[in-house]
Amino acid sequence: QSVLTQPPSVSGAPGQRVTISCTGSSSNIGAGYDVHWYQHLPGTAPKFLIYNNYNRPSGVPDRFSGSKSGTSASLVITGLQAEDEADYYCQSYDSSLSGSLFGGGTKVTVL
Amino acid sequence: QITLKESGPTLVKPTQTLTLTCTFSGFSLSSTGVGVGWIRQPPGKALQWLALIYWDDDQRYSPSLKSRLTITKDTSKNQVVLRMTNMDPVDTATYYCARRSSYCGGDCYPYWGQGTPVTVSS
Repeated sequence: QSVLTQPPSVSGAPGQRVTISCTGSSSNIGAGYDVHWYQHLPGTAPKFLIYNNYNRPSGVPDRFSGSKSGTSASLVITGLQAEDEADYYCQSYDSSLSGSLFGGGTKVTVL
Repeated sequence: QITLKESGPTLVKPTQTLTLTCTFSGFSLSSTGVGVGWIRQPPGKALQWLALIYWDDDQRYSPSLKSRLTITKDTSKNQVVLRMTNMDPVDTATYYCARRSSYCGGDCYPYWGQGTPVTVSS
């Protein structure tokens, strides 16, 4: 079954660093497909945060960074700010689905 | 400036067919590499990819919903339409359309509409 697994929640104090993992399989991340990340606040359109594993679109603060290794990827937020409190989703292409796959989402709470 | 906007009914009855329209501006769906997809989010749940149509009219569907979905495009009107048959209360969700960009490995969606809520109830 094609799934991207994320922790349901992570939290940190302002200024701290948090890491969100995204674990896939040999039909998606492990097959070499790139991972993309979105930030989602309720009632708004998801915001494009990271593309192709580690690239930031224009306007995204450099406290957001991404990486990928093997069948997993990670999003790191350094210098956590109150405005970073949101849901975060990873997304990749899956060859067995011939389409996109989103992770289950991670809620980031700023303590 | 790229914008997308979803429109359609906010309430449908079980077994009915849902028709959603995505009207976009700032790009052409006839440009190589471009696509428009649909993604939904049930209340309290994660984003779920539904379908994608490419500039060359290639269509892709979520396997779990493929039998119920049809995605079409009208390039002259800058619109993409999603039809979902046999609606059920579990299909209650906010439905988003989003533009696929070709510079991503696989598919990625840099631009999204605001979403349209759909409730399935008798």
